[in-house]
Amino acid sequence: EPEVTQTPSHQVTQMGQEVILRCVPISNHLYFYWYRQILGQKVEFLVSFYNNEISEKSEIFDDQFSVERPDGSNFTLKIRSTKLEDSAMYFCASMGTGGGALHFGNGTRLTVT
Amino acid sequence: QQPVQSPQAVILREGEDAVINCSSSKALYSVHWYRQKHGEAPVFLMILLKGGEQKGHEKISASFNEKKQQSSLYLTASQLSYSGTYFCGTAYGGATNKLIFGTGTLLAVQP
Repeated sequence: EPEVTQTPSHQVTQMGQEVILRCVPISNHLYFYWYRQILGQKVEFLVSFYNNEISEKSEIFDDQFSVERPDGSNFTLKIRSTKLEDSAMYFCASMGTGGGALHFGNGTRLTVT
Repeated sequence: QQPVQSPQAVILREGEDAVINCSSSKALYSVHWYRQKHGEAPVFLMILLKGGEQKGHEKISASFNEKKQQSSLYLTASQLSYSGTYFCGTAYGGATNKLIFGTGTLLAVQP
């Protein structure tokens, strides 16, 4: 069964550094999302992306965050200057045309020290 | 806008039943249910569209009450593998709109 893949699985970075989290969505999906989950808490929406542009973003997704689909397969989340409170599990997800299940990747655990 | 889930936690013995509820203060387009095991990604269980339909997935089923903007997840004859955190995800306005997830219900099934 096709799946969403994310790399790296774990990223440790120092406060103020830039990180790029990478995702390869399911190949025929057109809707892409980033969510994050602080340890033990709920899954929070960050941003949705369709047709090479952001469809919607949350209050969390401020100017320090950006997303890109640099080619036909990758979908990236960049955090320009990481803060301690950015430490969380970041999930990429994709959805096919017409809706249906949201397929999650296995996540990238980001630790900011 | 965040859906409210109840209860927060449930402890069951194998073979017992459980109901998890999810309610919204705003008109829903659809409700998704996911299960997440510790350290893993949420896994899709089922989706319910407005219209009051009920769906099933093995011994797990769900209903959607459009009038009350509520969905319930029913787990019958629970198995050890059902343990995990259950999240409802609600969509407003369209099938591909973002999902807003509830706070989760921790389900522990004991032998």
